[in-house]
Amino acid sequence: QVQLQESGPGLVKPSETLSLTCTVSGGSVSSGSYYWSWIRQPPGKGLEWIGNIYNSGNTNYNASLKNRVTISVDTSKNQFSLKLRSVTAADTAVYYCVSSWLVRYFENWGQGTLVTVSS
Amino acid sequence: DIQMTQSPSSLSASVGDRVNMTCRASPGISNSLAWYQQQSGKAPKLLIYDAYILQRGVSARFIGGGSGPDFTLTISSLQPEDFAVYYCQQYYSPPPWTFGQGTKVEIK
Repeated sequence: QVQLQESGPGLVKPSETLSLTCTVSGGSVSSGSYYWSWIRQPPGKGLEWIGNIYNSGNTNYNASLKNRVTISVDTSKNQFSLKLRSVTAADTAVYYCVSSWLVRYFENWGQGTLVTVSS
Repeated sequence: DIQMTQSPSSLSASVGDRVNMTCRASPGISNSLAWYQQQSGKAPKLLIYDAYILQRGVSARFIGGGSGPDFTLTISSLQPEDFAVYYCQQYYSPPPWTFGQGTKVEIK
């Protein structure tokens, strides 16, 4: 069973960069069979897929965020990371790191971390 | 992008009731649909994939049905722990992977 744990600052200032890391156990971020995603949920709202990484470096991004997002992987630490640039209050959300088997459903979720964008 | 529309947005029911909710995909997605349950303050939990296959460890009172474009999630006998928000999600034609807006099941 893959387990995931998000970490990073809970407060980010407007116009700065949001940075989160997901530590993976029970699976390898180097595996070609897993897709490693970030999904967010603004307070009281629904789920939005942000992007994913697979095969240790191939990425997909949501077009609505594409020019602000970078997802990367650190195989030595078995982690993957999210950077979201030029944040505004609209980026305030709970951010989840999630795994899926190939191009499918999201089987394993981290507990989520709330990131608030505020000065 | 494929749009996922859930209905109703909320419903009220009592323990023991049979509950139905719907998810419509546009355009069609074959059977590439998953259902998730999100209890208050928790991460979503996978219930069903491929439209009707129950995830390991999930109660058999959750029943997925339908085929593109209309899908259903039925809870055969509502239990107290089932009061939550339910989301559908398509994986037919990513990216992007897209979710419905959710159906909230509340206590009557």
